[in-house]
Amino acid sequence: AQSVAQPEDQVNVAEGNPLTVKCTYSVSGNPYLFWYVQYPNRGLQFLLKYITGDNLVKGSYGFEAEFNKSQTSFHLKKPSALVSDSALYFCAVRDKASGTYKYIFGTGTRLKVLA
Amino acid sequence: NAGVTQTPKFRILKIGQSMTLQCTQDMNHNYMYWYRQDPGMGLKLIYYSVGAGITDKGEVPNGYNVSRSTTEDFPLRLELAAPSQTSVYFCASRSDREETQYFGPGTRLLVL
Repeated sequence: AQSVAQPEDQVNVAEGNPLTVKCTYSVSGNPYLFWYVQYPNRGLQFLLKYITGDNLVKGSYGFEAEFNKSQTSFHLKKPSALVSDSALYFCAVRDKASGTYKYIFGTGTRLKVLA
Repeated sequence: NAGVTQTPKFRILKIGQSMTLQCTQDMNHNYMYWYRQDPGMGLKLIYYSVGAGITDKGEVPNGYNVSRSTTEDFPLRLELAAPSQTSVYFCASRSDREETQYFGPGTRLLVL
C-alpha cells in the first residue's frame, strides 16, 4: 500500500529565510511524487513533480524538491521565503509499479511566512 | 479554456436529501478524480475514472456514486446525505501523458 506523511502541521519562517516543508512516502515500487499548493478558498495548484531522472526537481515560484530514495523523502524547499508563499502545501504520491491510477495525499502543512 | 469547473460552489443539505455535484473539464482529459478535503485530514480520494464508461472506487467511496458517460463530465452523486459528508469536494483531471492533476475550485457542502 502507498502512503505519504507530512510530519509538520505548520511551519513558520521569517521572510527572506530558507524554508523546508517535509514529506516522506512509502510505496512498494518506484514513486511518482508531487507537491501542490492551496491558497485560501481555492483549489490545489501544481508546484512540481518527480517522475524520473535528476533527484533535484525545480518547480514554480522558485520552489524545488529533492528526491531521496534511501530516506524515502521528498522535501520541498525554497532559498528565500516570501510572505506570499503563505499557504497550505500538500505532498502526494503514486506508486507506478503497482499499476494504480490513484494518488495519495498527505494531510498538508500550513506554511506561514512572517514579515 | 476554462479548465476544470465545479458547480455549485456552496450548498446546504438536510440529512437524507440527495444531490449531484457537477464537474466538467474542457481539456479532453481521460483521467478524472473526486476528492474530499476535511481539516487536518488532507485530501481523500472518493472515486476516479480512467475514461468514459470506466469508474473505480477510491479510499472513501461509501455514500457516493459516480458516472462517466462523456469525457468532459464526471458528476458525483450523494443519495442520502449525512452530517459526515460535510466537507469540501474537489474534482481534478489529468491527461494520459502527464501526471499533473488540474483541480477545480471546489464545492463546499454542509449537511445539517
